[in-house]
Amino acid sequence: DPKIIQKPKYLVAVTGSEKILICEQYLGHNAMYWYRQSAKKPLEFMFSYSYQKLMDNQTASSRFQPQSSKKNHLDLQITALKPDDSATYFCASSQEWVANSDYTFGSGTRLLVI
Amino acid sequence: SQWGEENLQALSIQEGEDVTMNCSYKTYTTVVHWYRQDSGRGPALIILIRSNEREKRSGRLRATLDTSSQSSSLSITAAQCEDTAVYFCATDEGTNAYKVIFGKGTHLHVLP
Repeated sequence: DPKIIQKPKYLVAVTGSEKILICEQYLGHNAMYWYRQSAKKPLEFMFSYSYQKLMDNQTASSRFQPQSSKKNHLDLQITALKPDDSATYFCASSQEWVANSDYTFGSGTRLLVI
Repeated sequence: SQWGEENLQALSIQEGEDVTMNCSYKTYTTVVHWYRQDSGRGPALIILIRSNEREKRSGRLRATLDTSSQSSSLSITAAQCEDTAVYFCATDEGTNAYKVIFGKGTHLHVLP
């Protein structure tokens, strides 16, 4: 059984539209993260949350907004989509919000913006 | 960037051979994570080695950490075809022990 569920697995969106990427973890972890992976760059840190509080934001654009409705949920809303947003978005979690904690990643949402 | 240039690599080896992948980082770190990523899947943690550890093993995998040279390595003994994957090292950011930053990865292809 997957411990981190990301939905949808694939997503095609039109430039200028808005999408929400879903992430739920069933590991009982207190920290959750979003990373982005594209052909041009390695896995790129975006956000970290601890106990549903935003702890770190490395995205330059306010078009990316994480949303945490429950402790084990961290969704990612992306507005005004651009073709450059095309990438695979990975959600991850760890027991605590520290770098020396084991990270578990979901299988990703592959986003294509046309 | 936290990472040195040698982190971007592609390696092809024969099944049964041993292989070592290296990472170097630029600032002090408290931990190095090693992940493997199979095609179409998310990264999976394989070894986490902390700054007070010099070596850590897991089955055929062995990770080392040399804080004096700011480098880490991952070795696979007697590689098998199923070891084919992209291997990433990741560390904290030195001044920020709360964020894990990934290197560019090594594409390892084990040939039968």
